[in-house]
This record gives sequence, structure tokens and C-alpha cells, in this order.
Amino acid sequence: DVKVTQSSRYLVKRTGEKVFLECVQDMDHENMFWYRQDPGLGLRLIYFSYDVKMKEKGDIPEGYSVSREKKERFSLILESASTNQTSMYLCASSSLEAGGNEQFFGPGTRLTVL
Amino acid sequence: LAKTTQPISMDSYEGQEVNITCSHNNIATNDYITWYQQFPSQGPRFIIQGYKTKVTNEVASLFIPADRKSSTLSLPRVSLSDTAVYYCLVGDSWNAGNMLTFGGGTRLMVKP
Repeated sequence: DVKVTQSSRYLVKRTGEKVFLECVQDMDHENMFWYRQDPGLGLRLIYFSYDVKMKEKGDIPEGYSVSREKKERFSLILESASTNQTSMYLCASSSLEAGGNEQFFGPGTRLTVL
Repeated sequence: LAKTTQPISMDSYEGQEVNITCSHNNIATNDYITWYQQFPSQGPRFIIQGYKTKVTNEVASLFIPADRKSSTLSLPRVSLSDTAVYYCLVGDSWNAGNMLTFGGGTRLMVKP
């Protein structure tokens, strides 16, 4: 089974802090994704990566950056956290063949920015 | 990017068959249709994917009419554990940048 792990289930940070959310997958997947999920808004794509050191903006990249130095790891960075970034953050991965269709998700990180 | 429309919520009882329909009028020729299930406090889980006609696996069936402008996820004999949110997605499997808008999904409540 594919396993996607995220560094924290719950995280509390203060406004202005730099926040790192880590995601690791163990299935040698080429594609990795970061979403945020908010009530009534579904899942919204922040960034995705289809290869090491490659990244593409999703629907809502503002206020975020990403890093993919190794194939199995995809990091989401909040350069200066703000209260409107309080949300559930979900990481996912998929194989090159599956593209964006069959994505495997991690358990999520619930981030609260005070 | 094909937009999808689903009912916001549905209720059912244990043992019944549940059908959730998704509309995707502007589906493109290369687009696949994929359904995910999400339980509270968990990430979504892939259920089934299809391109046309009917697809069945151990969890569900997916019915896609000839015009492909809609699809129906069928869950046979639901149980309480099938209570979840179900998302329909449409896009091109070869383009990881496509088909990444999940929308609000359908909240299914299964009652005893």
C-alpha cells in the first residue's frame, strides 16, 4: 500500500512565523500535491510537483512556496503565517501513469495560526 | 478544466443501494472520471475511475452514459461506515496539472 505521511497532525503557530509542512511518500511517485481544505470550499490545490526541483502553481499559491529536493519529499512553506491560513493541509502523491487521477493522500495537518 | 456538479447531501439507510450522480457537461475527449471518498479527519481515498460505459470494483460501480456528460457512482448495500463525503473529479490522467479541482462533494449520511 502507498503510504503518504505528513510531519504533524496538529500544529499551532503565531502570525508572522515561518511554517514548514513536510510530506513524504514511499511509492516512488513522480507527482506530489499540496491542498488546503476549508469548510464549504472543498479541496483547493496550492502547488504540485511532477519531478524533483519542479513545481507548478495551483489555484491558490499566494502566501505559499514549496520545495522538492528529493523525489519522496515535498515541503509546503508558509513564509509569514497569517490567520487566514488556518486550515487543514493535505498532501497527495500519484504515479506518472496515473497523472492527477489516482492520488494517494496523507492524513492531513490541521494548522491553526493565532 | 471540466466543472462538476454534485448534490450537496444525501441520506440513506443501511442495506440500500446509493446512487450519486455528477454532472460534467464540458468534459473533454481525453478526460477520465474519478471518484474519491473522504471520512472526517482523513484525506480523500480513491474509489473508482472510468472513461466510458461501466466500471465495477470491489467497492463500487461507476456508470457513464454514451455522451459522458454525467456519471453515477453506485454503492451497493451501504453500511454505517459508508457515511462520508464523496467527490467527483474529471480530467486528463496524463496531465498532473489538470483535474485537480475537487469541489464541495456529496455528503452521504447512512442511517440505521
